[in-house]
Amino acid sequence: AQRVTQPEKLLSVFKGAPVELKCNYSYSGSPELFWYVQYSRQRLQLLLRHISRESIKGFTADLNKGETSFHLKKPFAQEEDSAMYYCALKKPPPVNSGGYQKVTFGTGTKLQVIP
Amino acid sequence: NAGVTQTPKFQVLKTGQSMTLQCAQDMNHEYMSWYRQDPGMGLRLIHYSVGAGITDQGEVPNGYNVSRSTTEDFPLRLLSAAPSQTSVYFCASRPPGQGGETQYFGPGTRLLVL
Repeated sequence: AQRVTQPEKLLSVFKGAPVELKCNYSYSGSPELFWYVQYSRQRLQLLLRHISRESIKGFTADLNKGETSFHLKKPFAQEEDSAMYYCALKKPPPVNSGGYQKVTFGTGTKLQVIP
Repeated sequence: NAGVTQTPKFQVLKTGQSMTLQCAQDMNHEYMSWYRQDPGMGLRLIHYSVGAGITDQGEVPNGYNVSRSTTEDFPLRLLSAAPSQTSVYFCASRPPGQGGETQYFGPGTRLLVL
């Protein structure tokens, strides 16, 4: 069964310090991983996906298949980065499912950037 | 577009009461889902739908019913509320052509069952 693990419930860093939000996964197939973010009183939204190899708001995440990890990193934290971050894994749709791709979310890490 | 809307924003129920959480989207998305968000548990899929008249169970479907009579609406029914159903409920939608990660989430409904 697939699983996404985020070991830290809360991560506090000072403004300007580097940030690393950890995510590990277990999945027998070829994974597709993502990071979602939920700012205070806002909706959950997709932050980035590993396939795109993009940098969004200064955040990057590299898929490490050997370590089964997809850690989210940012070199210099900003106060506006304070939010809840969820790592997620997408699995291919099963046969006769109508093409629906289920997404498994991790338990989330609250990032608190201290001024 | 209003996107994905949910009502009510907050609800208090007594054990055994029933209620319906409403979800609507005006983006003509075929896929819709319900999640619950609990501390230390992340988001868990309750039910989902791939189109009007088609629904299926997710990871934690017990105690919940859904129906999809129109593309726009996807209500979630609690038949007999239990304290274990105290949670924040999120509805999400997306068009079928995009990946499962591209979901548009509603603002959430906070439910407290006493």
